[in-house]
Amino acid sequence: DGGITQSPKYLFRKEGQNVTLSCEQNLNHDAMYWYRQDPGQGLRLIYYSQIVNDFQKGDIAEGYSVSREKKESFPLTVTSAQKNPTAFYLCASHRDRYGNQPQHFGDGTRLSIL
Amino acid sequence: DAKTTQPPSMDCAEGRAANLPCNHSTISGNEYVYWYRQIHSQGPQYIIHGLKNNETNEMASLIITEDRKSSTLILPHATLRDTAVYYCIVSIIFSGSARQLTFGSGTQLTVLP
Repeated sequence: DGGITQSPKYLFRKEGQNVTLSCEQNLNHDAMYWYRQDPGQGLRLIYYSQIVNDFQKGDIAEGYSVSREKKESFPLTVTSAQKNPTAFYLCASHRDRYGNQPQHFGDGTRLSIL
Repeated sequence: DAKTTQPPSMDCAEGRAANLPCNHSTISGNEYVYWYRQIHSQGPQYIIHGLKNNETNEMASLIITEDRKSSTLILPHATLRDTAVYYCIVSIIFSGSARQLTFGSGTQLTVLP
């Protein structure tokens, strides 16, 4: 079945450590997104990518980095510069760079601080 | 950017229709309305979207008012599995193509047995 796979489901970070969250899609979607969700709140955009080897900052990019070397993969690194990383991280994608096709989401990664 | 307003919570009896309202009075002419739902600790699930015509799919119906300032999501026969937070979203366009979905607080729908 086609879909978006995020791993791991749960992740723990130590002080000063960088961690990488995986997002893979087999939907042949062009655009991919990373969102952060805090308890009781909506989603906030971290980074997005419309095509391979190109990505743009969202509203809360500080302390995060991404890469888009392959169409199907868009990993997110939470760096030690992100002082409040505890949150639920969601990856999404949609079919084309233009138009209004809906974004589809993975099941998320919950990141906590040790 | 267009913002949406939804009631924080609603109850619905199992088997009855659930009607979830959304106000988006500042929506612009080319912005779509999307509905998603989220069950605790899972990713949001796409339900339906529309521009100005009413839409129906296997999950729900979307009724958009003629002035596009509000819409209603209808789940025709609610089941216990429909208990979730429902988000009404107007997409914000980044750089002409990429689209940010701004999720607000949503409506917690509880389907009662």
